[in-house]
Amino acid sequence: DSGVTQTPKHLITATGQRVTLRCSPRSGDLSVYWYQQSLDQGLQFLIQYYNGEERAKGNILERFSAQQFPDLHSELNLSSLELGDSALYFCASSVTPRGDETQYFGPGTRLLVL
Amino acid sequence: ILNVEQSPQSLHVQEGDSTNFTCSFPSSNFYALHWYRWETAKSPEALFVMTLNGDEKKKGRISATLNTKEGYSYLYIKGSQPEDSATYLCAFNAGNMLTFGGGTRLMVKP
Repeated sequence: DSGVTQTPKHLITATGQRVTLRCSPRSGDLSVYWYQQSLDQGLQFLIQYYNGEERAKGNILERFSAQQFPDLHSELNLSSLELGDSALYFCASSVTPRGDETQYFGPGTRLLVL
Repeated sequence: ILNVEQSPQSLHVQEGDSTNFTCSFPSSNFYALHWYRWETAKSPEALFVMTLNGDEKKKGRISATLNTKEGYSYLYIKGSQPEDSATYLCAFNAGNMLTFGGGTRLMVKP
């Protein structure tokens, strides 16, 4: 158990809908990262937050947004869902945003868009 | 787009065999190289973070080396056990985000 929690574990929804994925980092970690694992692709970095501020952005679609709250938990919002958004979404956390820090991954949220 | 390649894609070995796989990454703008172990139905688990050229790290039967000048890292597993069966991921960091390779899937037969 990494100490990172994600809810829900599974989510089934329809195209066009909007969902929110939630992540709580390890105690003491200020940086949160979101990743997407699709069937045909490796782990793709989406976005990083550090202490409430957006720090780095990867290939995140405009339909997706995220935020980190004062209590350091983070939410990833996915809207106007398409079939291709079906994937495993991971959240990870680290103490600082430095690239040489270990990132601890949560159990993931499996999203299925029908 | 950064290119991080891992080889082989998959590997079948017998229990007790030693094995190694490769991660290739850009040799410019290097900041850190991460190795993760990912078991089916679980989340990636950090193995090593490597930053210095020539660095070698060890954790039990698993070790890794790093060559930043030529852009590669090797992961070694000595005396593979069935519980080592997993996908091993490397991830390159040029300073702001991790770019993952496709992984090497290791299957160890008892």
